[in-house]
Amino acid sequence: SQQGEEDPQALSIQEGENATMNCSYKTSINNLQWYRQNSGRGLVHLILIRSNEREKHSGRLRVTLDTSKKSSSLLITASRAADTASYFCATGSTGGGNKLTFGTGTQLKVEL
Amino acid sequence: DVKVTQSSRYLVKRTGEKVFLECVQDMDHENMFWYRQDPGLGLRLIYFSYDVKMKEKGDIPEGYSVSREKKERFSLILESASTNQTSMYLCASSLSAPGVLFFGSGTQLSVL
Repeated sequence: SQQGEEDPQALSIQEGENATMNCSYKTSINNLQWYRQNSGRGLVHLILIRSNEREKHSGRLRVTLDTSKKSSSLLITASRAADTASYFCATGSTGGGNKLTFGTGTQLKVEL
Repeated sequence: DVKVTQSSRYLVKRTGEKVFLECVQDMDHENMFWYRQDPGLGLRLIYFSYDVKMKEKGDIPEGYSVSREKKERFSLILESASTNQTSMYLCASSLSAPGVLFFGSGTQLSVL
């Protein structure tokens, strides 16, 4: 079952612009994580936000979490061509045991 | 750095063959996971393990089994490969649960 759903499915922007991706989920969570995947490779962890946190920063990344709306957003500021990748949110649920449940991802393309 | 190694990057098998996908992690993580990734469906959890010889079914365990005889190694077994098991298979490990996942590079399996 898919817990997280990302929006948009695909995003194309120019280098230097900001990119915003959204994630919605259905059940209560312990934490929400964002991952990045370059084409045909494994996923790399970007950032984790706990259910009692509202905002978190890491370099050019900013993540927000609204548990009342069951949604999160990932903002990449001043994007670069190297940011071109797929981005996935993943939720760790209160009753979900040891596992994370992933969404379907947003494909980001940053053009020069 | 945590390293998760999957034994094959690309694999081609015939329908009905028994297929073994191997995964090894070098950071003494308790938890290990197998996901499959298909276009438009994101990552779906097949099986996970939180200790040696322990296993739990994920969301799509049918047609698969797993083995964890040693802490560092988690094997995915396709008992009788079918064409609908053609997919990218991703192994991951984590120290805590539901914690940050460290992924291998993936195995692209084609069943002909």
